[in-house]
Amino acid sequence: DVKVTQSSRYLVKRTGEKVFLECVQDMDHENMFWYRQDPGLGLRLIYFSYDVKMKEKGDIPEGYSVSREKKERFSLILESASTNQTSMYLCASSLRGLRPDNEQFFGPGTRLTVL
Amino acid sequence: AQTVTQSQPEMSVQEAETVTLSCTYDTSESNYYLFWYKQPPSRQMILVIRQEAYKQQNATENRFSVNFQKAAKSFSLKISDSQLGDTAMYFCASFTLQGAQKLVFGQGTRLTINP
Repeated sequence: DVKVTQSSRYLVKRTGEKVFLECVQDMDHENMFWYRQDPGLGLRLIYFSYDVKMKEKGDIPEGYSVSREKKERFSLILESASTNQTSMYLCASSLRGLRPDNEQFFGPGTRLTVL
Repeated sequence: AQTVTQSQPEMSVQEAETVTLSCTYDTSESNYYLFWYKQPPSRQMILVIRQEAYKQQNATENRFSVNFQKAAKSFSLKISDSQLGDTAMYFCASFTLQGAQKLVFGQGTRLTINP
């Protein structure tokens, strides 16, 4: 089974803190994604990566950055956390190529609260 | 731009009943894929079913089936003989081979199966 894990299920941070969310997948997938999930808005893509050291902006990249130094690990960074970044963050991975028959496998999510 | 709309924020049915979740989408592309994802409470999102736009036959996976109306841009999910384990958030999503090549999600429908 594909396994996508995220470093924390719940996280509470203060405004202005630097926050790292880690995602690791164990199936040698090339593509990795970061989404945020908010009630009534569904999932919105923040960033994605289709190879090591490669990254592409999604729909809502402002206030976020990412890092992919190793194939299995994709980190989401909030440089200076703000209260409007309180959300559920989901990581996903899939095989090479942005092909629609590549199923995306999701992690359990990190619920981040910024106070 | 792609958009996906789920107009039912919440639904509730009795166990063993059949339930249909609605989804409409908008795309200018001729080749695309549509998906239904399930997110159980506190558990990871998983793919339920996918439909290729150029296939006229509706996709089926056990108790889950879709009603794909291409001209109407409608993609509903039918769950037959509903079970308590079907309780979850359900997201409709679309993917095209053009442009940004990313999944676009609807707002989600919270489905509760009552005993």
